[in-house]
Amino acid sequence: IAGITQAPTSQILAAGRRMTLRCTQDMRHNAMYWYRQDLGLGLRLIHYSNTAGTTGKGEVPDGYSVSRANTDDFPLTLASAVPSQTSVYFCASSDSGERGPQHFGDGTRLSIL
Amino acid sequence: GQNIDQPTEMTATEGAIVQINCTYQTSGFNGLFWYQQHAGEAPTFLSYNVLDGLEEKGRFSSFLSRSKGYSYLLLKELQMKDSASYLCAVADSNYQLIWGAGTKLIIKP
Repeated sequence: IAGITQAPTSQILAAGRRMTLRCTQDMRHNAMYWYRQDLGLGLRLIHYSNTAGTTGKGEVPDGYSVSRANTDDFPLTLASAVPSQTSVYFCASSDSGERGPQHFGDGTRLSIL
Repeated sequence: GQNIDQPTEMTATEGAIVQINCTYQTSGFNGLFWYQQHAGEAPTFLSYNVLDGLEEKGRFSSFLSRSKGYSYLLLKELQMKDSASYLCAVADSNYQLIWGAGTKLIIKP
């Protein structure tokens, strides 16, 4: 079934550790996004990529990095995790460049202790 | 600044109609999206409005007034499975989505 796959589903991580959240899509969408979702707040954009080989910063990029080596994969890395990065992370992709509706993965629930 | 406002929570009765409002102030406007998100799950796309007026899709309809910075999502013939959060999002001048915090809809029998 076509869609977006995120891994891991959930993770508990010690502060200071490095962590990479994986995101893979098989819909050949050009644009991909990483959001975090916290209780009482709207989805906040961390980083995005309009096409393979390019990335951009969103609203809350500090402490996170991304790469887009190919169309399908868009990993998100926390270089040195801090407790404030405890959140649910969603990866999304869209067709028609940045103008189509976004399709979301199932999310990664990350707890930083 | 950019801002999306929607009610935090609403309650409605099974079989009834409910309207969820969304007001926005953004730098530019390139369309408004509504998403549904069940607890513990990913958001799923419901509707997209870029021109003024009503878009109908089965039991769900979405309305947009660009001059008023206002949209609503109308859900008819409510079912228990409609209990979820409904997220309003606006594409700004850079086509980035600005998201509201979501409206939690509780359906009672």
